[in-house]
Amino acid sequence: GAVVSQHPSRVICKSGTSVKIECRSLDFQATTMFWYRQFPKQSLMLMATSNEGSKATYEQGVEKDKFLINHASLTLSTLTVTSAHPEDSSFYICSCLRDGTNTEAFFGQGTRLTVV
Amino acid sequence: AQSVAQPEDQVNVAEGNPLTVKCTYSVSGNPYLFWYVQYPNRGLQFLLKYITGDNLVKGSYGFEAEFNKSQTSFHLKKPSALVSDSALYFCAVRPNTGFQKLVFGTGTRLLVSP
Repeated sequence: GAVVSQHPSRVICKSGTSVKIECRSLDFQATTMFWYRQFPKQSLMLMATSNEGSKATYEQGVEKDKFLINHASLTLSTLTVTSAHPEDSSFYICSCLRDGTNTEAFFGQGTRLTVV
Repeated sequence: AQSVAQPEDQVNVAEGNPLTVKCTYSVSGNPYLFWYVQYPNRGLQFLLKYITGDNLVKGSYGFEAEFNKSQTSFHLKKPSALVSDSALYFCAVRPNTGFQKLVFGTGTRLLVSP
């Protein structure tokens, strides 16, 4: 159990377009999900904490209008990169916190976004 | 604020030898500590965690870690390395009170040679 599915695994888009990344907890409920960004050979940077039914909490320096987060159900959160630019190219990873615990966080397989 | 230090960018070990990946932390109060492994272009896979109880924690794939409160360390260990263990390893910490975000170390690349 405890599978998190992130889709797509890779996406290439043109500058100025928007890209949506989905994160699903397949066999558990997750009121809280996290979105991270990882630059090459660097650690994970937390972008925002997503809570089902409420607005996401963004980390300092992360533009909420650029990185739109929607957590519409207990098993799905989406991250939309709006008006993408080449500098948005990165590896994006989601994590789901299993309901009923505050330590069981499971990660998706990541999405490699390339903006050309 | 909490922080994690992984002092080694890379650890090299021969297959069959024991391996250690170091991690030290700083957190207010008592910590929850985690180790994750990442393979190229993949998300993080959970290896093990320390919440409370025995200081020696056993996890997936034969890995273990020892929580040392006095040294604020949580080093990852394995008695006999495999080539397939080659990957990027992340240590993470958060306080054990309330709900707070995980803070990750910078990662250590483990290279196991045949």
